[in-house]
Amino acid sequence: DIVMTQFPDSLAVSLGERATINCKSSQNLVYISNNKNYLAWYQQKPGQPPKLLIQWASAREVGVPDRFSGSGSGTDFTLTITNLQAEDVAVYYCQQYYTTPCTFGQGTKLEIK
Amino acid sequence: QVQLAESGGGLVKPGGSLRLACAASGFSFRDSFMTWVRQAPGKGLQWVSYISDTSVYTHYAPSVKGRFTISRDNARSSLYLLMNNLRVEDTGVYYCAKGGRSASDSWGQGTLVIVSS
Repeated sequence: DIVMTQFPDSLAVSLGERATINCKSSQNLVYISNNKNYLAWYQQKPGQPPKLLIQWASAREVGVPDRFSGSGSGTDFTLTITNLQAEDVAVYYCQQYYTTPCTFGQGTKLEIK
Repeated sequence: QVQLAESGGGLVKPGGSLRLACAASGFSFRDSFMTWVRQAPGKGLQWVSYISDTSVYTHYAPSVKGRFTISRDNARSSLYLLMNNLRVEDTGVYYCAKGGRSASDSWGQGTLVIVSS
């Protein structure tokens, strides 16, 4: 199975500042045939289901604020949230869908400092 | 507007069975891969299974393979998860999600399964 490791496990950032969450895969997530990274980022707020923020490592979903951005390729990926807002408090997960089982990272809890 | 509504959760004894259902609307269900993901209380997300649009392909997490069966009824726009020989560690909220060999772009609210004696 592909192991997804996120770091840090938690972080506290001041309002208006930048939050950076990292995700490392135990295997390369790029398909040679289409040069796409099979990596997604989700946001989960308490008591709610996850919400897809970004797929293909950097493609933001419609309606997701442009404060959220994804980057990286191969085995190392980053979710960046700029100008942090109070409503961004949540747990963030990365997921690989390169192969089954489609494993998730353990999650990163983001709080306001 | 995509809507996914899970049902069928509840309290079951170890070794028992449950059948979860997910009613879908607002999109072309028959053309969509579908997925089940679960979340143990206070823990992270765990991918469970997905099924292709025509049911030709199904995949399972190693921890549930041989015990869980995913299926669908395209005429009813419904997804199912039959869970047999349940274990305490199967306890959690089970979400159905749209997507399979891709990111899951829509999720239901989940249904809670508790396996306890």
